[in-house]
Amino acid sequence: QKEVEQNSGPLSVPEGAIASLNCTYSDRGSQSFFWYRQYSGKSPELIMFIYSNGDKEDGRFTAQLNKASQYVSLLIRDSQPSDSATYLCAVKASGTYKYIFGTGTRLKVLA
Amino acid sequence: KAGVTQTPRYLIKTRGQQVTLSCSPISGHRSVSWYQQTPGQGLQFLFEYFSETQRNKGNFPGRFSGRQFSNSRSEMNVSTLELGDSALYLCASSSRQGVNYGYTFGSGTRLTVV
Repeated sequence: QKEVEQNSGPLSVPEGAIASLNCTYSDRGSQSFFWYRQYSGKSPELIMFIYSNGDKEDGRFTAQLNKASQYVSLLIRDSQPSDSATYLCAVKASGTYKYIFGTGTRLKVLA
Repeated sequence: KAGVTQTPRYLIKTRGQQVTLSCSPISGHRSVSWYQQTPGQGLQFLFEYFSETQRNKGNFPGRFSGRQFSNSRSEMNVSTLELGDSALYLCASSSRQGVNYGYTFGSGTRLTVV
């Protein structure tokens, strides 16, 4: 079992729809969770981080965390073609300064 | 505020050679991490430095090494290059508290080994 798992996609959604991206992790002791966006040929950029169970909203983005079920999700409301990118889930490994990344989900927003 | 600066942007090396990559973190950031990104494996953790000390190391062979200087700049060295070392090498920095607030990544160094 991989430490951080994401569906590689592509996930295709029409413009204006909600895109839902999911991530599961294996380290029960993990406390910090992150979503990065990576455009083709660019480096990852941080979108959101979440530490507590529940939802965290920032503009069109909502991160959801369920530690009991060991999953993190990212919702993108009113998806735009400019949101088309690969979304990387990252988990800070417990007791370390190391972040484990999933392999990413490729999102395509269709105009 | 300047971002994370990595040099060089592109490198082509021959098998068996060695290479040194450089990273200058955001001013005030003391934690620097290095990752290797390949299409098949995604982002793989190499090592993390804070105040010139390596605090964590990933599962890479000893050919991969790094260091951090007193001004927080960091270098990564790969000796005896292999074809499989071809990848995008990303450096990321964070402040001390920012270790839990995520990274800012540099633009990366694209290494091609021929």
